[in-house]
Amino acid sequence: KNQVEQSPQSLIILEGKNCTLQCNYTVSPFSNLRWYKQDTGRGPVSLTIMTFSENTKSNGRYTATLDADTKQSSLHITASQLSDSASYICVVTLHMEYGNKLVFGAGTILRVKS
Amino acid sequence: KAGVTQTPRYLIKTRGQQVTLSCSPISGHRSVSWYQQTPGQGLQFLFEYFSETQRNKGNFPGRFSGRQFSNSRSEMNVSTLELGDSALYLCASSAPLAGGPNEQFFGPGTRLTVL
Repeated sequence: KNQVEQSPQSLIILEGKNCTLQCNYTVSPFSNLRWYKQDTGRGPVSLTIMTFSENTKSNGRYTATLDADTKQSSLHITASQLSDSASYICVVTLHMEYGNKLVFGAGTILRVKS
Repeated sequence: KAGVTQTPRYLIKTRGQQVTLSCSPISGHRSVSWYQQTPGQGLQFLFEYFSETQRNKGNFPGRFSGRQFSNSRSEMNVSTLELGDSALYLCASSAPLAGGPNEQFFGPGTRLTVL
């Protein structure tokens, strides 16, 4: 069964600290893995997209890693800010003959406190 | 460039009614996907349309249907609403990245409440 599991479910950190979110997947055949940030009441916004051959990708203070052998990904947030408080969703794309089929993780809710 | 727009943003219906949600993709995007997001189930894929044709479908009952018009705008319809259909319905449009995977851009969503 195609599944994406994220941990932890929720996380509280102090402003300025770093944190790492985890994503494990069993999706096959794999096409790419994405991390999204979703603020409350809004649509998800893409942070990074990585294909099978990419190990790491950065977007400002966000750095995603991918280990396609162990089917694990992580999202590292450096020097967290209050505005980082959001849900972070790991999404794996199934390789389809036509179009996209995305499998979503349940998300990690991050709260950054001052 | 304008983003993905969805209308209405909020909707309240009663059980048994039907509802139609609308999505306008980013100009030039021909693929539109629909998702249901609930606190218990997270984001779940409903269907994807490309050039007016449904090319992928998730595991939802036939009460959920959609269509895409020649201008790439898409509508989603839910008939015989149930309480469990209360959710945030998200639309995403996509276009291929140069030499890479499709980038999906999400709209703000339509919050549907079924009473």
